[in-house]
Amino acid sequence: DAGVIQSPRHEVTEMGQEVTLRCKPISGHNSLFWYRQTMMRGLELLIYFNNNVPIDDSGMPEDRFSAKMPNASFSTLKIQPSEPRDSAVYFCASTLGEATEAFFGQGTRLTVV
Amino acid sequence: SQKIEQNSEALNIQEGKTATLTCNYTNYSPAYLQWYRQDPGRGPVFLLLIRENEKEKRKERLKVTFDTTLKQSLFHITASQPADSATYLCARGVAGTYKYIFGTGTRLKVLA
Repeated sequence: DAGVIQSPRHEVTEMGQEVTLRCKPISGHNSLFWYRQTMMRGLELLIYFNNNVPIDDSGMPEDRFSAKMPNASFSTLKIQPSEPRDSAVYFCASTLGEATEAFFGQGTRLTVV
Repeated sequence: SQKIEQNSEALNIQEGKTATLTCNYTNYSPAYLQWYRQDPGRGPVFLLLIRENEKEKRKERLKVTFDTTLKQSLFHITASQPADSATYLCARGVAGTYKYIFGTGTRLKVLA
């Protein structure tokens, strides 16, 4: 397996534009996580899915953020409209279950100008 | 709050010495803790998991301890090498869920 695959690797967009980040988890993994990493706040959990169902979205900063997992091999994180304070590295991770190692993608570096 | 805390200051040590990183938690008892390594521009990579009923776990030059009395986990790298330079993250599992909460990480630099 190629690991967790995220796209794009880098995204630069103007304030107010819609941004969509994509993630393909490892085949067979049943949990998927979206994290955001900044220097100030570290790695923050935004939302996680189990068996394609959103379980906990309490980390989603506000209604501008939404995430979907239409099937076991694909998830999206959308920001609409984007703001400069959304600039960060967004990571997707997947696991096989509780208390198992999380496999992270390479991340998407988002810059909102 | 149920935070997990790591020393945010960078740790510089000389090659060959043992590096010791600390992870502290308060107001709860995690069932397990994990340690990850993160290199610049890359995602975290899993290193070790230790459960609350385990005192110590080893993997090659790495050792993790879990002290439920002190509410602390220590991560040791023995015979450190410049290639060990990275940021090390501690994470706790949340009982009854699948989610992991990460500390802010400690940057380690091993000097040649």
